[in-house]
Amino acid sequence: AQTVTQSQPEMSVQEAETVTLSCTYDTSESDYYLFWYKQPPSRQMILVIRQEAYKQQNATENRFSVNFQKAAKSFSLKISDSQLGDAAMYFCAYRSMDSNYQLIWGAGTKLIIKP
Amino acid sequence: DAGVIQSPRHEVTEMGQEVTLRCKPISGHNSLFWYRQTMMRGLELLIYFNNNVPIDDSGMPEDRFSAKMPNASFSTLKIQPSEPRDSAVYFCASSLFVGPLYNEQFFGPGTRLTVL
Repeated sequence: AQTVTQSQPEMSVQEAETVTLSCTYDTSESDYYLFWYKQPPSRQMILVIRQEAYKQQNATENRFSVNFQKAAKSFSLKISDSQLGDAAMYFCAYRSMDSNYQLIWGAGTKLIIKP
Repeated sequence: DAGVIQSPRHEVTEMGQEVTLRCKPISGHNSLFWYRQTMMRGLELLIYFNNNVPIDDSGMPEDRFSAKMPNASFSTLKIQPSEPRDSAVYFCASSLFVGPLYNEQFFGPGTRLTVL
């Protein structure tokens, strides 16, 4: 069975600085999707970025980028120029190509932005 | 465009009472998910509907939980009787399933349930 591990329960960063959130996963599959979701205090889960395992190029969405290391089964999220609005819980998630719906979730990392 | 709508946003009830949570998916979406989020267990998928039919209900904790989707624009999650351990945030999500490839799940704002 696949598992997703986020080893940092909490991270803090100074506003305008860069922070990296870690995620590792375990799978025997070669094709899959990886996601980072953001959950702000409003509770709503928002998709930040996704990565297809068959793509070697790291996904980027504005200030958010990932470092996808397939061999190491690592999928970290880098937030550049951190803003107060980035404060939230961040969840890493995995989805097998064999499933069109089942997401395997990490435990989450709480990101604190210091003004 | 309205996102996934859930009601109520907050529910406080007493043990033994019936609780009904409601969800309106995004118009045009054909897949609907109910999740439960707790500190101890994280985010858990309770049930998945596709075209109003329950496909996977293996995450439903026990017979006290039931979910229905009478039409494409409405779903309910019912807990009867409720217990304090059911206290959690319940999320509804929807997506447009067009095949085996990626289809994003859009989440509602959640219902925070407290059972006293």
